[in-house]
Amino acid sequence: LAKTTQPISMDSYEGQEVNITCSHNNIATNDYITWYQQFPSQGPRFIIQGYKTKVTNEVASLFIPADRKSSTLSLPRVSLSDTAVYYCLVGDMGDTGRRALTFGSGTRLQVQP
Amino acid sequence: NAGVTQTPKFRVLKTGQSMTLLCAQDMNHEYMYWYRQDPGMGLRLIHYSVGEGTTAKGEVPDGYNVSRLKKQNFLLGLESAAPSQTSVYFCASSYSPGIDYNSPLHFGNGTRLTVT
Repeated sequence: LAKTTQPISMDSYEGQEVNITCSHNNIATNDYITWYQQFPSQGPRFIIQGYKTKVTNEVASLFIPADRKSSTLSLPRVSLSDTAVYYCLVGDMGDTGRRALTFGSGTRLQVQP
Repeated sequence: NAGVTQTPKFRVLKTGQSMTLLCAQDMNHEYMYWYRQDPGMGLRLIHYSVGEGTTAKGEVPDGYNVSRLKKQNFLLGLESAAPSQTSVYFCASSYSPGIDYNSPLHFGNGTRLTVT
């Protein structure tokens, strides 16, 4: 199964840029890389998705090197409301050959005033 | 447009009791998933479905059964609940036009289950 590895936790201050790196050495050729955000007592929420190079939206940027074995989620100028758990996700074909998505343990980001 | 709705939101069971969790989505998504999340942990995939009438096992399928009789609904059953199944259960759905495109997951707000 495709596995991801992320730091367990990170601390930052308001206004700083935060970069969270995810390792996915066994990523398959057709897999996209997707990041989710989860607040307490809520389901995860989609943040950004990419295949290679750089993707940017109104919330974050995603940097993917040429070998695609890692990716970095960049959150510009974080605020207290960005305190959450962030998950990196890659596709997984599973035993049936069909797509099944597995989450890692995520990165707990704590933003301080 | 409700998105993904999970029923019930909370439930307390005694060991050995059975129950069914219901997940409903109104986005016409083909794929549906059941995850469990234990305190301080990430999400683990229990079962999933790639279309009406299909189901497949995820990482932690033991002790659970699922059914996808209608495209919009995905049911998770516990036949004989155990304390180890105390967890928060999340349902998700996604639209996947092809096997090589990871369309984003849309999650419900979870069902908090306690087995005593």
